Amino acid sequence: QLQVQESGPGLVKPSETLSLICTVSGGSISSSSFYWAWIRQPPGKGLEWIGSIYYSGSTYYSPSLKSRVTISVDTSKNQFSLKLTSVTAADTAVYYCARHYCPDGNCYSLNYWGRGTLVTVSS
Amino acid sequence: QSVLTQPPSVSAAPGQKVTISCSGSSSNIGNSYVAWYQQLPGTAPKLLIYENDNRPSGIPDRFSGSKSGTSATLGITGLQTGDEADYYCGTWDSSLSAAVFGGGTKLTVL
Repeated sequence: QLQVQESGPGLVKPSETLSLICTVSGGSISSSSFYWAWIRQPPGKGLEWIGSIYYSGSTYYSPSLKSRVTISVDTSKNQFSLKLTSVTAADTAVYYCARHYCPDGNCYSLNYWGRGTLVTVSS
Repeated sequence: QSVLTQPPSVSAAPGQKVTISCSGSSSNIGNSYVAWYQQLPGTAPKLLIYENDNRPSGIPDRFSGSKSGTSATLGITGLQTGDEADYYCGTWDSSLSAAVFGGGTKLTVL
């Protein structure tokens, strides 16, 4: 059974960089037709897609976050990571990683979600 | 402001049926597949419906999805108290080259 698990600091200072890793187990990150996504959810609010990456390194990013986001992949470790720069309190959220079905240049459903990790931006 | 529009809340009695709507545009729902996600309190979202009307293994047939034009609908029959959750629609927006979600609908089973 495929599993994904987020890890990283739970507290980040304003203006610094948020860094998270997602570890994929029970399957290969190099599977065709699947990208790997980051999604976040501020407390009490809805879901916001951040971006998705293919094992080759090809990426899609949210237009609203593109200037601050970098998603990378390490196939040797079956991991992908998120970096979000210049964070503010508005970036406080539960961050999820998930597998994204993208068979034809468009992406569709997100399955195999991680449990999420709360990242708080505060001094 | 979400790209996809959902009602903030719906409610119905146990055993009854409820529908949740998701409205978009020609660049997203009208041109792509829709997925629905269930988020039980304090848990991660779970895929409920994919490619408009397909259920992943383990999802009861009480849950159904449909799409017409630029709108999609999630239906839940035989409501149970355990169905109380937030429900989100999601799809791909080809103009943005981005995944988009609805704002979420809170289901209350009275």
